[in-house]
Amino acid sequence: EADIYQTPRYLVIGTGKKITLECSQTMGHDKMYWYQQDPGMELHLIHYSYGVNSTEKGDLSSESTVSRIRTEHFPLTLESARPSHTSQYLCASSGLGRASDTQYFGPGTRLTVL
Amino acid sequence: TQLLEQSPQFLSIQEGENLTVYCNSSSVFSSLQWYRQEPGEGPVLLVTVVTGGEVKKLKRLTFQFGDARKDSSLHITAAQPGDTGLYLCAGEKTGANNLFFGTGTRLTVIP
Repeated sequence: EADIYQTPRYLVIGTGKKITLECSQTMGHDKMYWYQQDPGMELHLIHYSYGVNSTEKGDLSSESTVSRIRTEHFPLTLESARPSHTSQYLCASSGLGRASDTQYFGPGTRLTVL
Repeated sequence: TQLLEQSPQFLSIQEGENLTVYCNSSSVFSSLQWYRQEPGEGPVLLVTVVTGGEVKKLKRLTFQFGDARKDSSLHITAAQPGDTGLYLCAGEKTGANNLFFGTGTRLTVIP
């Protein structure tokens, strides 16, 4: 069983609020990812990190930002949430090997912006 | 345009039936993975295939990587309600840092 956690699991907020989605893993993985998932369908990579102080933008442009101050922690922040940000956000981690190394996913945060 | 197209997008079948879902691309991948995602959870890796023509079996699930490494299929024999979920393929391209995920197939197995 993967040891990767996301909080909150569900979040409903109003437009303009600042939010932070938390992601933590206890597997000592160097690589971490944030994906945005359309309702029940494909995943789009929005951010990834190779390790502490490393952050990169993914394939899908996102207004969110991330930080990696500790190996185990990879939070995602939206400075001013909008209804277009409503989605499921999935965090994942893997070893620093090939891209095909197993990614372990958290349960996700379902965000609704009113 | 999506790099990996999965078909069908939705599939609803009766318990005990067999089914096949497909993952297709015009690009070559060095490896391909299949994940299953249950409602309210994150995806979980089922298998990784790395050699063209490779076939892997996982109980009632059979995975095949195309000879040209551009496509893959997942066949489920005697489907059970526990097989219900979203099936995602994901490909690794040589030199790329990350996986490319497919469009997904949502499977519902009716008891």
